[in-house]
Amino acid sequence: EAGVAQSPRYKIIEKRQSVAFWCNPISGHATLYWYQQILGQGPKLLIQFQNNGVVDDSQLPKDRFSAERLKGVDSTLKIQPAKLEDSAVYLCASSLVVGELFFGEGSRLTVL
Amino acid sequence: GENVEQHPSTLSVQEGDSAVIKCTYSDSASNYFPWYKQELGKGPQLIIDIRSNVGEKKDQRIAVTLNKTAKHFSLHITETQPEDSAVYFCAASMGRDDKIIFGKGTRLHILP
Repeated sequence: EAGVAQSPRYKIIEKRQSVAFWCNPISGHATLYWYQQILGQGPKLLIQFQNNGVVDDSQLPKDRFSAERLKGVDSTLKIQPAKLEDSAVYLCASSLVVGELFFGEGSRLTVL
Repeated sequence: GENVEQHPSTLSVQEGDSAVIKCTYSDSASNYFPWYKQELGKGPQLIIDIRSNVGEKKDQRIAVTLNKTAKHFSLHITETQPEDSAVYFCAASMGRDDKIIFGKGTRLHILP
């Protein structure tokens, strides 16, 4: 069974530029999550989708971050404009059963 | 607020000895408590979980205990091996949508 796919693995941009990350969850997993993991910290939930509807986005900085999950499968997370403090690994996860998350390998963002 | 506290942040144990990591959570309604292992450059991987209708669960060398009254749960690794070296995260389900909130992690070093 294929795991959660994410791209790109690495991205370096300058502040105020924009960036987009893509995630393809495990087939059949209705719930998709985006987490932000700053170096040395635990993953922080940004947004949770159930099929193509948003379940929770209370921690998403909506003035610069946006996410969508069209057709209830793939998802894209966008940051525009990026700030220095957005440097982190962006992890996508999916689940079939509540709480049993399967993570991708992450997209590491460096903002200069 | 929604919070998971994890201790210690770093733990070094001699190979063959046991390791214990402890977590507390804030939401008395939490009913699902997973543990994740994260190796360098990879996403977190679920290693064991427990639901609130049981007090202990074991899987080979790892076990998790849950005390709902005190709102804390622990991970126990026995007969530690070099491949157990990694960062471990506890997490808890919170809120009506059962979002998964992570602790800050414990870096476990297995000493030869």
